Amino acid sequence: AQTVTQSQPEMSVQEAETVTLSCTYDTSESNYYLFWYKQPPSRQMILVIRQEAYKQQNATENRFSVNFQKAAKSFSLKISDSQLGDTAMYFCAFRDDKIIFGKGTRLHILP
Amino acid sequence: DVKVTQSSRYLVKRTGEKVFLECVQDMDHENMFWYRQDPGLGLRLIYFSYDVKMKEKGDIPEGYSVSREKKERFSLILESASTNQTSMYLCASSLKVGGGDTGELFFGEGSRLTVL
Repeated sequence: AQTVTQSQPEMSVQEAETVTLSCTYDTSESNYYLFWYKQPPSRQMILVIRQEAYKQQNATENRFSVNFQKAAKSFSLKISDSQLGDTAMYFCAFRDDKIIFGKGTRLHILP
Repeated sequence: DVKVTQSSRYLVKRTGEKVFLECVQDMDHENMFWYRQDPGLGLRLIYFSYDVKMKEKGDIPEGYSVSREKKERFSLILESASTNQTSMYLCASSLKVGGGDTGELFFGEGSRLTVL
């Protein structure tokens, strides 16, 4: 069965620093999607970034980028120049025929 | 913009009550999902639906049922609420696989249910 593991339940960094959230997954499939979702306090979950497994190039969205290591089944999220608004719960998710979420990492950006 | 609307942000119910959580999406998405979110457990899939009048059990369907009479609406039903169903409930929708599907889920704001 597919699993998604986020090994960091909680993290804190200073504003403007770079932070990396880790995610590993387990699957026997070769074609799938990986996602990072962000859930700000008391607000709805939104997509941060998406990676298709067949694409070798790492996805980037402004200050957010991923390090996708398919062989290692690793999918980490890097947030550069972190901002107070990045404070949120971050979920890594895997999808082939259904979507499986990790347990989340609570990220605090400190002023 | 895609909008997924959950009818109630906060509910307080008593043990044994029947509870309805409503979810409506306005983007003509085929797929709809109900998740439960608990601290330290992440999101767990309760039920999902890929079409009208169609439903499939997720990972934790016990104590829940669903209804999808119209494409845009997906309801979660707790037939007899219990205290262990106190949780945040998230509805989500997406396009069908192969139908321009990027895999992305669009979420509602969540319904926080407290069962006393």
